[in-house]
Amino acid sequence: GIQVEQSPPDLILQEGANSTLRCNFSDSVNNLQWFHQNPWGQLINLFYIPSGTKQNGRLSATTVATERYSLLYISSSQTTDSGVYFCAVAGETSGSRLTFGEGTQLTVNP
Amino acid sequence: EAGVTQFPSHSVIEKGQTVTLRCDPISGHDNLYWYRRVMGKEIKFLLHFVKESKQDESGMPNNRFLAERTGGTYSTLKVQPAELEDSGVYFCASSLIFFGEQYFGPGTRLTVT
Repeated sequence: GIQVEQSPPDLILQEGANSTLRCNFSDSVNNLQWFHQNPWGQLINLFYIPSGTKQNGRLSATTVATERYSLLYISSSQTTDSGVYFCAVAGETSGSRLTFGEGTQLTVNP
Repeated sequence: EAGVTQFPSHSVIEKGQTVTLRCDPISGHDNLYWYRRVMGKEIKFLLHFVKESKQDESGMPNNRFLAERTGGTYSTLKVQPAELEDSGVYFCASSLIFFGEQYFGPGTRLTVT
């Protein structure tokens, strides 16, 4: 099946800093989503982005499908951005089920 | 519009007992998915319903797990008998279209002792 690798596994920032999280995948995709897992464990949708670029406030994402990677940018980070960020993809040959990466644990210190 | 809801939020059962988890998808969403995260590992797919039909059940670990979606609305996932390695968080998700954005519920934390 499709492989998903996220980097870095851990990231520690000072409040106000910018960061880039990366997601590499091994096959063509029909779906790619970024999630933030909040302290209560809930998966919050950030972006549905199988291709192209989207922005939502301080967050933006870019997926380059032909090169099989996606980037999540967080600008002017805040302590509330802390948590685990997951990338999940649905490969072209695997129906619509999502395969998750192992996540990036982000800690933003005040 | 209400999101995906799951019940119960937590369940603690003994090995060998039966547990039934319930998921109510977003109204109108024909696609319903079950995922789980066990032993702190990555979140893994279990199965996918389109309306009341099982579209893909390739992720179901064994025959102790039974999922149903009668009437194409809510779904249940039964674990019988539960084993220690079934402990983890079970997520339900739904989407409007086949390759559409999936919205996740808050999860059910299952602990088997």
